[in-house]
Amino acid sequence: KAGVTQTPRYLIKTRGQQVTLSCSPISGHRSVSWYQQTPGQGLQFLFEYFSETQRNKGNFPGRFSGRQFSNSRSEMNVSTLELGDSALYLCASSPRGDSLNYGYTFGSGTRLTVV
Amino acid sequence: AQSVSQHNHHVILSEAASLELGCNYSYGGTVNLFWYVQYPGQHLQLLLKYFSGDPLVKGIKGFEAEFIKSKFSFNLRKPSVQWSDTAEYFCAVNALRRSQGNLIFGKGTKLSVKP
Repeated sequence: KAGVTQTPRYLIKTRGQQVTLSCSPISGHRSVSWYQQTPGQGLQFLFEYFSETQRNKGNFPGRFSGRQFSNSRSEMNVSTLELGDSALYLCASSPRGDSLNYGYTFGSGTRLTVV
Repeated sequence: AQSVSQHNHHVILSEAASLELGCNYSYGGTVNLFWYVQYPGQHLQLLLKYFSGDPLVKGIKGFEAEFIKSKFSFNLRKPSVQWSDTAEYFCAVNALRRSQGNLIFGKGTKLSVKP
């Protein structure tokens, strides 16, 4: 079966712009989480969605937001981009609400570069 | 706040050498523990996980990890590494307040295996 699909794979944006990243979970998976990966900070949790509801949010400014649709697909949005937002953004999906009991499957990520 | 420490940033080994990667976490309650691996150019994959029971956990590709509660540690081991084990390894923790998707990752350890 298809894995977690993230689009686009690469993105270059200018400071001050906004960006939307997309994640399609594995078919049947209902929980989607987002992580930011940078060389300096490593992997940091952004937020988690289950059944279109945000259940959990990491310590990121309000410029970072997300949503989940009824088909479990998820998007995250970053407004007013800063150079420090350059990172690999990873999406992970899990079959159920108790996502950690079942483990995550990660996507390959979207590499965002802010210039 | 919870944190995860991986003490080795970069480990270089020759093939057939034994491997042990350290992971310590800071949280006094019940935890779920994970090791993920990221091969060059690939997405994060789950190596193994510990929820409860036998503190010695076996994962894929000959890896194992031992949970030592008194030391807040979850070290990853492999008796004999191969060149194909070259990758970055991440330890992750979730505090069991709820089994939802908020993993705290360590900064990762890069493993280079010389043929």
